[in-house]
Amino acid sequence: GPKVLQIPSHQIIDMGQMVTLNCDPVSNHLYFYWYKQILGQQMEFLVNFYNGKVMEKSKLFKDQFSVERPDGSYFTLKIQPTALEDSAVYFCASSSDRGGAETLYFGSGTRLTVL
Amino acid sequence: GEKVEQHESTLSVREGDSAVINCTYTDTASSYFPWYKQEAGKSLHFVIDIRSNVDRKQSQRLTVLLDKKAKRFSLHITATQPEDSAIYFCAASNNYAQGLTFGLGTRVSVFP
Repeated sequence: GPKVLQIPSHQIIDMGQMVTLNCDPVSNHLYFYWYKQILGQQMEFLVNFYNGKVMEKSKLFKDQFSVERPDGSYFTLKIQPTALEDSAVYFCASSSDRGGAETLYFGSGTRLTVL
Repeated sequence: GEKVEQHESTLSVREGDSAVINCTYTDTASSYFPWYKQEAGKSLHFVIDIRSNVDRKQSQRLTVLLDKKAKRFSLHITATQPEDSAIYFCAASNNYAQGLTFGLGTRVSVFP
């Protein structure tokens, strides 16, 4: 079936540095999402993105976070600068429309460790 | 904001028996409740959902019940099979799949 690929699967970075997490969504999908899961806690919504714009974001989506999808390439989450509390697994998802969850496909996550 | 509590963190079930996972939510505006399954080493995979205009939905061996008054919903798996072993996540939203709030997950283990 359709797959969302996340690259890399693991990333280790020093606090204060910039990191970019990459997501290759399902090819005909138009809506893109990032979720964050701290170890042992719930997966939490960060942001959704459509037509080149952020549609909704949560309070977890700090000013240091940004998302883009230039020219239909990877959908990226950039954190600059990183902080210790950014250590988590970040899940990307994509969907073809603003429909039900049956249209939402998740990637396997990128584990980010900030030292 | 919305909070979703998933009451069982683990569940061991004998093959062929039923499994029930219970979730509660806090936001009365929530109207959409999907369930996801995550098998070992794989990403989340949608299994079934229910919207607030109904109180029951069935798909093969899966049934979801919704009690809006109690702000509670549950996933029932009948005639469990080894391939049902996974982590199951409940979620809630006030707007279809946008901005889902997830539970912590329930690890279901089906043993022979």
